Amino acid sequence: DAGVTQSPTHLIKTRGQQVTLRCSPKSGHDTVSWYQQALGQGPQFIFQYYEEEERQRGNFPDRFSGHQFPNYSSELNVNALLLGDSALYLCASSLDINYGYTFGSGTRLTVV
Amino acid sequence: QKEVEQDPGPLSVPEGAIVSLNCTYSNSAFQYFMWYRQYSRKGPELLMYTYSSGNKEDGRFTAQVDKSSKYISLFIRDSQPSDSATYLCAMSGTSGSRLTFGEGTQLTVNP
Repeated sequence: DAGVTQSPTHLIKTRGQQVTLRCSPKSGHDTVSWYQQALGQGPQFIFQYYEEEERQRGNFPDRFSGHQFPNYSSELNVNALLLGDSALYLCASSLDINYGYTFGSGTRLTVV
Repeated sequence: QKEVEQDPGPLSVPEGAIVSLNCTYSNSAFQYFMWYRQYSRKGPELLMYTYSSGNKEDGRFTAQVDKSSKYISLFIRDSQPSDSATYLCAMSGTSGSRLTFGEGTQLTVNP
């Protein structure tokens, strides 16, 4: 049983560019959350998707947007990249009524 | 002030030692408390999950929650070199809602 799959694993972008990160949740999970983890810090909540709707959002600017597809997979989009967006982006999935979040290995984004 | 405070360490102990990891928090609405383990270049892995106050044991790991003091702990008995990782506490107000993490404590267990 595959866990949470994220792609790509590593990415280098230039300031001002746009990036799309992808996440396939664990089989049977219907809720996807995205977190940003800066080096040496704990993950910070970006937003959560359930039934293709953004259900909760953290303190991130509108440059961060997302989408959930009917098969529960999800994308995170970041526009107008800043150097400070360099981080590990983690996707976590869960079954809505079950609190067992499963995290993927993340996408390491470097903005130069 | 951060909602969740965690000593970042690093913490270095000999193999077989008992390890104590701690977090304090300020939001009294938190009811669900978790400990995650994160190896280098990997995502966090759920170790322990506790609802409200009390203790929970799983093998060599024991999680304690004291809501009156807003303090949670993770104890690792008979620590092994394979326990070397960053340990993150996380908490939430309601089931299924966002997790608020501590900064993580880096643990090294020396053979």
